[in-house]
Amino acid sequence: EAGVAQSPRYKIIEKRQSVAFWCNPISGHATLYWYQQILGQGPKLLIQFQNNGVVDDSQLPKDRFSAERLKGVDSTLKIQPAKLEDSAVYLCASSLGQTLMNTEAFFGQGTRLTVV
Amino acid sequence: AQSVTQLGSHVSVSEGALVLLRCNYSSSVPPYLFWYVQYPNQGLQLLLKYTSAATLVKGINGFEAEFKKSETSFHLTKPSAHMSDAAEYFCAVSDPYNQGGKLIFGQGTELSVKP
Repeated sequence: EAGVAQSPRYKIIEKRQSVAFWCNPISGHATLYWYQQILGQGPKLLIQFQNNGVVDDSQLPKDRFSAERLKGVDSTLKIQPAKLEDSAVYLCASSLGQTLMNTEAFFGQGTRLTVV
Repeated sequence: AQSVTQLGSHVSVSEGALVLLRCNYSSSVPPYLFWYVQYPNQGLQLLLKYTSAATLVKGINGFEAEFKKSETSFHLTKPSAHMSDAAEYFCAVSDPYNQGGKLIFGQGTELSVKP
């Protein structure tokens, strides 16, 4: 079974530029998550989708971050304009259902963003 | 609100020694609890999870954890450390009733294994 695919693996941009990350979840997984992992910290949820609807985006900085999951499959996370503090690893994860009792969240390898 | 505290950002053990990584949680409802491992430049991999069944949970690679409600703890143990266990370990909590599958992670504990 193929895992969660993310691209690019690494990205370096200047502050105030824009950047986009792409995620392809495991086939059939209805729930998709984007997490931000700042160096030395645990991952923090940015947004959670159930199919193509948003379940939780309470910690997404909506003035600069946006995400979409058209057709309920692939997802794109965008930052515009980027700030220095956005430097982090952006992790995408997917699971079969919303509750993790009988399922598991599978994580991609992440995109490491450096803002200079 | 839920939260997780991992005691010790770095733990170092000798190969063959006991591994003990500490995790305490705060939750107003019976939580689901998880341990994930992250190797350098990799995503997170689930080691084990507690979802209100047996309080002693066995996971992959010889790891296990015990849910202790009275101590609000979910410490991760392994009887004998192997060099390949060197990685970052994250404890996480989830509230299945109000927050779906949202995981709230601790700060992580880096495990080093000395030969």
